[in-house]
Amino acid sequence: GEDVEQSLFLSVREGDSSVINCTYTDSSSTYLYWYKQEPGAGLQLLTYIFSNMDMKQDQRLTVLLNKKDKHLSLRIADTQTGDSAIYFCAESTSGTYKYIFGTGTRLKVLA
Amino acid sequence: NAGVTQTPKFRILKIGQSMTLQCAQDMNHNYMYWYRQDPGMGLKLIYYSVGAGITDKGEVPNGYNVSRSTTEDFPLRLELAAPSQTSVYFCASSTSSGGNTGELFFGEGSRLTVL
Repeated sequence: GEDVEQSLFLSVREGDSSVINCTYTDSSSTYLYWYKQEPGAGLQLLTYIFSNMDMKQDQRLTVLLNKKDKHLSLRIADTQTGDSAIYFCAESTSGTYKYIFGTGTRLKVLA
Repeated sequence: NAGVTQTPKFRILKIGQSMTLQCAQDMNHNYMYWYRQDPGMGLKLIYYSVGAGITDKGEVPNGYNVSRSTTEDFPLRLELAAPSQTSVYFCASSTSSGGNTGELFFGEGSRLTVL
């Protein structure tokens, strides 16, 4: 079945860039998402990319999509302590109810 | 802006007890979902609904039931609580309107402990 994989932990120093990686298996994915979960809260959409795009930039966030390798990454520039959270990669296919989530990557930002 | 509202936020149950987790959304979304989140396991879909009166099983439906009598409400029922149901439960909603990105809107979660 479809699967989305992420590493569980990432630790960076404040001011450095963070790169969170994700691989997926479903070649029919239409949208790929990054959700952020802060402690004790629900998930919130951080950014998304259509499957026909290679890159999307939104302020400090850069999303790269390699469709051939089914690899998605999220780069956070100038990482701040407020970026400490769990980041979930997810994919869905247009016209279906179905979303597949990764395990989440816990980002810890060291002051 | 209420969005998706879940109650209760915390609950402790004894083995064999029953309870209902409430979920309501005010965005007129037709799709609603229940997920459970376990450490290091991501989100697993329990049940989903594509509209009032229509529900279907997700990946991990055993031990749960749902109903969708209105567009706004999607309660999750645990009939005979078991320790394996200790988890954080999230309700979410989305719209199937054409041209949308499929963003899921999540509630703040309900943390359930079964002892």
